[in-house]
Amino acid sequence: EPEVTQTPSHQVTQMGQEVILRCVPISNHLYFYWYRQILGQKVEFLVSFYNNEISEKSEIFDDQFSVERPDGSNFTLKIRSTKLEDSAMYFCASSYSGTGLAYEQYFGPGTRLTVT
Amino acid sequence: AQTVTQSQPEMSVQEAETVTLSCTYDTSESDYYLFWYKQPPSRQMILVIRQEAYKQQNATENRFSVNFQKAAKSFSLKISDSQLGDAAMYFCAYRIKTSGSRLTFGEGTQLTVNP
Repeated sequence: EPEVTQTPSHQVTQMGQEVILRCVPISNHLYFYWYRQILGQKVEFLVSFYNNEISEKSEIFDDQFSVERPDGSNFTLKIRSTKLEDSAMYFCASSYSGTGLAYEQYFGPGTRLTVT
Repeated sequence: AQTVTQSQPEMSVQEAETVTLSCTYDTSESDYYLFWYKQPPSRQMILVIRQEAYKQQNATENRFSVNFQKAAKSFSLKISDSQLGDAAMYFCAYRIKTSGSRLTFGEGTQLTVNP
């Protein structure tokens, strides 16, 4: 069964450093998402991406964050200058279509980001 | 704004027994999707069951079923014949029926299954 993959599984970085989290969505999917989960809290939406542009973003997704689909397979989340409060699990998800039968979002295993 | 509330931070059940996890939500939309996701200690998000709001019939997936009460904006998950592998954090989630729309999650319920 196709699956969403994410690398790395765990990233440790120092405050102020830039990090790039990578995701490979399911190959025929058209919509891509990033969510984050601070330890012990609920999963929060960051951004959705379609047709090479952001389709929706949350108030969390400020100027420190950016997303990109640099080629036909990868989908990346960049945090320009990490803060301690960016420490969280970051999940990538993808869906074929937002409506109809294929509305399900498939999640990757997550990248645990630790900012020290 | 849509909100999802899970009022039970923790629940426990004996193996082979039945447990129900509660979820309520707030929305002004008439058609939307509701989901239950399972998050084991690995923290992978696994879809358990989904419900389309316009369908009156409650969704069922093997031992998992929902009680969807649209008027009350309630969406509970029933797990029958609980197994040790069911122990996990369970999140209720909501999504409007628009392409690429976000999932909004509840706070989660930590389920413990006792042998």
